[in-house]
Amino acid sequence: DAKTTQPNSMESNEEEPVHLPCNHSTISGTDYIHWYRQLPSQGPEYVIHGLTSNVNNRMASLAIAEDRKSSTLILHRATLRDAAVYYCILRLNTGNQFYFGTGTSLTVIP
Amino acid sequence: ETGVTQSPTHLIKTRGQQVTLRCSSQSGHNTVSWYQQALGQGPQFIFQYYREEENGRGNFPPRFSGLQFPNYSSELNVNALELDDSALYLCASSRSGGGADTQYFGPGTRLTVL
Repeated sequence: DAKTTQPNSMESNEEEPVHLPCNHSTISGTDYIHWYRQLPSQGPEYVIHGLTSNVNNRMASLAIAEDRKSSTLILHRATLRDAAVYYCILRLNTGNQFYFGTGTSLTVIP
Repeated sequence: ETGVTQSPTHLIKTRGQQVTLRCSSQSGHNTVSWYQQALGQGPQFIFQYYREEENGRGNFPPRFSGLQFPNYSSELNVNALELDDSALYLCASSRSGGGADTQYFGPGTRLTVL
């Protein structure tokens, strides 16, 4: 059973904001939400993570729904270098497991 | 600061053989996790090692085994290779393996099983 559900692909114009959604309806209270991105022929790269509150860092913002069953990764101004597959991940407190979703392939249009 | 490195980069084996993949963790990190990424799929968690002990395992059979050494580097061993084991194998290191911990990934080893 899928732990996280994401759209397969999204497009954005360069310098526009991008909102990447993720559903994780089976999340439990101590599971963390992580986002990583992966460029072709590279390992995944950390973007942001959170537990309950919204989070901001230099790369992105993470908005977590009040019931924690969904979250949204926000890239404030997409650049061509942001084109990648973005993974929404649940880090389960039980078993120390990271569950990657199927990922959203983001295309940035110049 | 040296990042996570993996060896070899590519590997070709035949069905039934055994393979060992290696990972050097980032300086200061004591936790290593291994993932299998099939073509077009997201990475699947295999297991995690913390201070030389396995402390988490995904849904993989026992023929997938691992080791972590005192310097926190790690090996992934796969016995009795099957065609479906063809994938990119990623390792990631982190400071403590906790829920808020950031994982740093290596570039991966591409395994092809013929």
